[in-house]
Amino acid sequence: TQLLEQSPQFLSIQEGENLTVYCNSSSVFSSLQWYRQEPGEGPVLLVTVVTGGEVKKLKRLTFQFGDARKDSSLHITAAQPGDTGLYLCAGAHGSSNTGKLIFGQGTTLQVKP
Amino acid sequence: EPEVTQTPSHQVTQMGQEVILRCVPISNHLYFYWYRQILGQKVEFLVSFYNNEISEKSEIFDDQFSVERPDGSNFTLKIRSTKLEDSAMYFCASRFGTGDYGYTFGSGTRLTVV
Repeated sequence: TQLLEQSPQFLSIQEGENLTVYCNSSSVFSSLQWYRQEPGEGPVLLVTVVTGGEVKKLKRLTFQFGDARKDSSLHITAAQPGDTGLYLCAGAHGSSNTGKLIFGQGTTLQVKP
Repeated sequence: EPEVTQTPSHQVTQMGQEVILRCVPISNHLYFYWYRQILGQKVEFLVSFYNNEISEKSEIFDDQFSVERPDGSNFTLKIRSTKLEDSAMYFCASRFGTGDYGYTFGSGTRLTVV
């Protein structure tokens, strides 16, 4: 059974602080995606990383895919209250005609003003 | 920006009844998925659909579940005889291709079985 473990599950920080969320697995994934999910809504894609060692930046968010494609991290610099939400990592695995996603359990981030 | 549209947003049904959840994927997308999320739990894969057939399904997707793409635009999930444990948010997703093509998720249908 493929599992993705996210840590921490909950994070409460002050505005302006930096934070890192981790996503780890014993399985290799063909790609890994990060989503943000608001209450009562579907996940919204932030980024996809495909190549081992890849780093992608989205404004204050930096995403990294591990060299072995088993783990990933999301780093937020100078967090703002608008960053508050649920962050999900999801690994893609399977044949080219499925690409099903295995989701982590999520990290709930609260940024206090 | 193109969206995946799901209807209804909330469905309440009695145990044993059939329900059909509807989705309109993005028009030029080729791969379609259903996921579900039981309250407080992970998002779980149910089924993937490509080239008018199921390409993969999970253990959850038993004989009570079926999917259809009847008219080239709608993508439906049918649960024949609902159980209490089917209560969850059901998300439809689509994407244009495999590899690093991103998924677009709908806003979900909250199914409550009473």
